[in-house]
Amino acid sequence: ETGVTQTPRHLVMGMTNKKSLKCEQHLGHNAMYWYKQSAKKPLELMFVYNFKEQTENNSVPSRFSPECPNSSHLFLHLHTLQPEDSALYLCASSQEEAGLGGSPLHFGNGTRLTVT
Amino acid sequence: GQNIDQPTEMTATEGAIVQINCTYQTSGFNGLFWYQQHAGEAPTFLSYNVLDGLEEKGRFSSFLSRSKGYSYLLLKELQMKDSASYLCASWDSNYQLIWGAGTKLIIKP
Repeated sequence: ETGVTQTPRHLVMGMTNKKSLKCEQHLGHNAMYWYKQSAKKPLELMFVYNFKEQTENNSVPSRFSPECPNSSHLFLHLHTLQPEDSALYLCASSQEEAGLGGSPLHFGNGTRLTVT
Repeated sequence: GQNIDQPTEMTATEGAIVQINCTYQTSGFNGLFWYQQHAGEAPTFLSYNVLDGLEEKGRFSSFLSRSKGYSYLLLKELQMKDSASYLCASWDSNYQLIWGAGTKLIIKP
């Protein structure tokens, strides 16, 4: 299997639920990212990990909690979300974090999250 | 503030040529990307420009003018499968990737 794989593809959760999004990359990349994509809005960077270390937290509410156990896996733990958090959550990876070599992002197909 | 502007939606005819424009205002500049995103799928990398001029890749070409803060993506011999959103993104001086909201391209037979 190649590329960036995200599971689940779709998720419906209530505001009191706890769930996790999973991302796995098979490209040997060192940097991984979480993005939020809402309709007709630019991609919003949430978190960046480089060599498993978090290098960016873009003022994301604490109800989103990332975890990066190794360079190939990235999780986004969700709890007590709000309806406005409904969006497409995209995981991406790159060979190096931007500026340290620079390379395009490779995205997964995303998780379509609906908070009810 | 930093900003990327691109048209929200464009329509073109199969077999024709279409140009999708992107203007950027960023603090510094370290290159500009174009991505294609089909509905329900991952954005996929199309091109990267860091120097002025035209880069051609098959039916797709990307142009950059740094002095004008302007880029365009040119799609030739349009096919129905080119119906997608096209995302423009620019690296600023801190290598923060600034994204446009995307241009939805509709191809009609």
